[in-house]
Amino acid sequence: DVKVTQSSRYLVKRTGEKVFLECVQDMDHENMFWYRQDPGLGLRLIYFSYDVKMKEKGDIPEGYSVSREKKERFSLILESASTNQTSMYLCASSSGTGWGEQFFGPGTRLTVL
Amino acid sequence: AQSVSQHNHHVILSEAASLELGCNYSYGGTVNLFWYVQYPGQHLQLLLKYFSGDPLVKGIKGFEAEFIKSKFSFNLRKPSVQWSDTAEYFCAVTPYNNNDMRFGAGTRLTVKP
Repeated sequence: DVKVTQSSRYLVKRTGEKVFLECVQDMDHENMFWYRQDPGLGLRLIYFSYDVKMKEKGDIPEGYSVSREKKERFSLILESASTNQTSMYLCASSSGTGWGEQFFGPGTRLTVL
Repeated sequence: AQSVSQHNHHVILSEAASLELGCNYSYGGTVNLFWYVQYPGQHLQLLLKYFSGDPLVKGIKGFEAEFIKSKFSFNLRKPSVQWSDTAEYFCAVTPYNNNDMRFGAGTRLTVKP
């Protein structure tokens, strides 16, 4: 089974802190994604990566950055956390061609105080 | 930019009732279509997908969806819902061979026993 794991299920941080969210997948997938999920807004794409060291902005990249140094790992970085970044963050991965099924991790619920 | 609309935010049904959840998208070209489900406390998982061929797609747990190209729609159906179908359902669309997956806002389904 494809497995996508995220480093924390729940995280509480203070405004201004630098926050790292880690995601690891074990299926050798080329593509990896970071979304945030908010009630009534569905999933919004923050960043995605289709190869190591490659990244593309999604719909809402402001205030975020990403890092993909290894194929299996995709990190989301909040450079200076703010209260409006309180949300559920979902990581997903998919195989290289055709943009088929994305496999999701369990999510990290981040609260910024 | 393409968008995905889910018409119902919250649907409440009794067990054995029939279900239809609406999904419309705004992209004019060839698309891949998906329905994902998120059960309470669980991660997003694929319910069904359409890439090509028969526009009536069958998924897991008795769900099906029909792609109507002329209406830009991909509605989800189930003839008889169960209490265990209580979950949030997301429609998603990608242009064929493209990275850009867009999700709808989600529909919360509550099935009363």
